[in-house]
Amino acid sequence: EDQVTQSPEALRLQEGESSSLNCSYTVSGLRGLFWYRQDPGKGPEFLFTLYSAGEEKEKERLKATLTKKESFLHITAPKPEDSATYLCAVVKSSNTGKLIFGQGTTLQVKP
Amino acid sequence: ETGVTQSPTHLIKTRGQQVTLRCSSQSGHNTVSWYQQALGQGPQFIFQYYREEENGRGNFPPRFSGLQFPNYSSELNVNALELDDSALYLCASSLGGQHNSPLHFGNGTRLTVT
Repeated sequence: EDQVTQSPEALRLQEGESSSLNCSYTVSGLRGLFWYRQDPGKGPEFLFTLYSAGEEKEKERLKATLTKKESFLHITAPKPEDSATYLCAVVKSSNTGKLIFGQGTTLQVKP
Repeated sequence: ETGVTQSPTHLIKTRGQQVTLRCSSQSGHNTVSWYQQALGQGPQFIFQYYREEENGRGNFPPRFSGLQFPNYSSELNVNALELDDSALYLCASSLGGQHNSPLHFGNGTRLTVT
């Protein structure tokens, strides 16, 4: 069964304290892995797409990496405004429109 | 560039009733997908529409149905509402025909079934 699992479920950091979020997946025929950010009461906001193992993408304090079984979202020197739920999703070769999401990691950054 | 807009933002219905949710896709996008997000969970794929045809469906019963119009806007209809249908319903648009074109989401419709 296709599955996406994110850990930890919740993470509390002090401002400036770097950390990583994990997304592990068991999917046949992976075509891409996506990271989204979701603020309370809002829809998910697109961050990155990763296509193949070894690929890395960066945006401000965020860096996403991909291996054959998992992806990491590294947050360097986070600020309170980075507080949000981070969602990982994969797309299979059989249907490019259907994303399979993990349950998300809720990040809280305290000043 | 206009983003994805959804209406209404909130809705309260009674069990057994029917509901219609609406979505306008982002300018230039021709594909619309609908997702259901229960509290504390990731979104779950309901179905996708491309060129006014259903193009993929998740594990949802037939009482969940949809439409896409020539201007690429879309509706999600749910009949015979159940308490478990209470959730945030998200619409997302993308550019069909481009693999891995990222989905751009609206802010959703919060449906409460009592």
